Amino acid sequence: LAKTTQPISMDSYEGQEVNITCSHNNIATNDYITWYQQFPSQGPRFIIQGYKTKVTNEVASLFIPADRKSSTLSLPRVSLSDTAVYYCLVGEAGANNLFFGTGTRLTVIP
Amino acid sequence: EAQVTQNPRYLITVTGKKLTVTCSQNMNHEYMSWYRQDPGLGLRQIYYSMNVEVTDKGDVPEGYKVSRKEKRNFPLILESPSPNQTSLYFCASSKQSTIYNEQFFGPGTRLTVL
Repeated sequence: LAKTTQPISMDSYEGQEVNITCSHNNIATNDYITWYQQFPSQGPRFIIQGYKTKVTNEVASLFIPADRKSSTLSLPRVSLSDTAVYYCLVGEAGANNLFFGTGTRLTVIP
Repeated sequence: EAQVTQNPRYLITVTGKKLTVTCSQNMNHEYMSWYRQDPGLGLRQIYYSMNVEVTDKGDVPEGYKVSRKEKRNFPLILESPSPNQTSLYFCASSKQSTIYNEQFFGPGTRLTVL
């Protein structure tokens, strides 16, 4: 499992775009990048997954440069309800031993 | 509604008193796992199961047991709980896939061992 490094915390004002970057220098050829969101006292929830370039869904976008040694989760126009911990995971598709780490605590300020 | 359920949601017990936390999923998922979450340590995997009768250790299996006799259920057993097992526990399930591995998590069980 590739090790990931994320900022411990971030603050943002409501309505702003938030970008959370994850570093994964040892990512393997078969590894995918997955992001989860966790609200206080709830289980993590899958947000988005990608292998390269850009992936977008109704919740977020994921940008992955050509070397794949990092990735950026982009949350457009955050609201107070986006306050949560965001985890970046790297692992082989189909792998089930996920390493969550400590994630990035995002606080959205009114 | 597709979901993972855990019971109990909250439990206070004493050292050495055997307990079981149940986990059930209604999505016909092959894979199930247990995590514990502690402040500053993130989520750590305890045990996982690839299918019925197949279980394997995760990162922190000491002091825990699991069984997978049915596809939908994956109970976590603490034979002799100790205070260092006070934690927030999550069960998760997912479909076996070679494409991607979205895991669905239960609501959590907060366990306190006195």
